[in-house]
Amino acid sequence: EIVMTQSPATLSVSPGERATLSCRASQSVSSNLAWYQQKPGQAPRLLIYGASTRATGIPARFSGSGSGTEFTLTISSLQSEDFAVYYCQQYNNWPPELTFGGGTKVEIK
Amino acid sequence: QVQLVQSGAEVKKPGASVKVSCKASGYTFTGYYMHWVRQAPGQGLEWMGWINPNSGGTNYAQKFQGRVTMTRDTSISTAYMELSRLRSDDTAVYYCARSMPGDGDILTPFDYWGQGTLVTVSS
Repeated sequence: EIVMTQSPATLSVSPGERATLSCRASQSVSSNLAWYQQKPGQAPRLLIYGASTRATGIPARFSGSGSGTEFTLTISSLQSEDFAVYYCQQYNNWPPELTFGGGTKVEIK
Repeated sequence: QVQLVQSGAEVKKPGASVKVSCKASGYTFTGYYMHWVRQAPGQGLEWMGWINPNSGGTNYAQKFQGRVTMTRDTSISTAYMELSRLRSDDTAVYYCARSMPGDGDILTPFDYWGQGTLVTVSS
């Protein structure tokens, strides 16, 4: 199983500031990496796939980068609606099991 | 528009089984793999497996093999996830999630999710 490790567990940021979230894979997943946002009581929402491609309707302030084992999600200027938990997910085909990171909670500073 | 509507909350006793449904609409049900993901209270996301609604083929996470069964009924565009021999640590919200288009069994991320079904296991 590929283990995904996210850091930090909690990130305190002021509105308008930049947030940088990290995700590390225990082995290379190439660019088979997605990011999701989850708000309390809601299902996750796809933000980024292919490590850097924004999903439909996702604002440009969200960007993803990285390949192999190191990935970053950047929110350029945090809006009030961006305070949530963010998960990375690898979908590499070998081994054929998807795994999620433990999540990063972005909270208001 | 694409919608995945799941069945309602369940309360089960340890050792019992639960079957959660996920009714799809707004797209061709057989054209996209369906995954199941669960989330224990206050915890992260855990992938359980997928079903190919066209063929009925499945792939389960090793952790759940032998306890989980994913099926579908194409006549009503509905996928099912049954988990048996329930334990208290199976208490979680269970989600169905549609896979993005891909080639064959190539894994892809999830572009639409159901609203979740809370399954509580308690004696």
